[in-house]
Amino acid sequence: QVQLVQSGAEVKTPGASVKVSCKASGYRITTFGLTWVRQAPGQGLEWMGWISAYNGNTKYAQNLQGRVTMTTDTSTSTAYMELRSLRSADTAVYYCAKGAYYNTESRLDHWGQGTLVTVSS
Amino acid sequence: SYVLTQPPSVSVAPGQTARITCGGYNFGSESVHWYQQKPGQAPVLVVYDNRDRPSGIPERFSGSNSGNTATLTISRVEAGDEAHYYCQVWDSSSDQVVFGGGTELTVL
Repeated sequence: QVQLVQSGAEVKTPGASVKVSCKASGYRITTFGLTWVRQAPGQGLEWMGWISAYNGNTKYAQNLQGRVTMTTDTSTSTAYMELRSLRSADTAVYYCAKGAYYNTESRLDHWGQGTLVTVSS
Repeated sequence: SYVLTQPPSVSVAPGQTARITCGGYNFGSESVHWYQQKPGQAPVLVVYDNRDRPSGIPERFSGSNSGNTATLTISRVEAGDEAHYYCQVWDSSSDQVVFGGGTELTVL
């Protein structure tokens, strides 16, 4: 069955970077798009961006352009999301989610368990 | 970025029907998807492409899209339906995915 298993919780200081991993199993990662979504404490869902493991194409949320990089390693079926120049407003649970098909606008039919990133001095 | 408009909360008695709306956008021919999120858990897709249900989602969950407003309808509401619900659409003009602000469903 499809599973997305994310890396563990992180605590970072302002200005640092964080890299969250998402290991996919039960399907071929190159066939479907993968989306990253975050959720600040007590808040709603925020789309961060999308990546194709097939060709490395990415689309990022406009408010994160320049600070976020999404990559994949097809040899290990793992996706990564790196966020730089962290600030307290980046404190959130970060989710990876599999698209039901390749495109960016696809519904998200499987989600990782989430990774809590805390930014605090 | 912007957020689709959802009512912050909806309350309904068990056995009744809950309707959660999503607006603030001209959906046109775009597909609207809905997610259920219970406390401490990842979201779960409950309705996609306006009105279709993934396997394993009860028939009590249905959706519609009138062009300017999308609606998630939950019939015969049960205590286990208590959760936050989020709508999602692809905004082709900005090339971005947009989520609604979320609606907390309370079963009285």
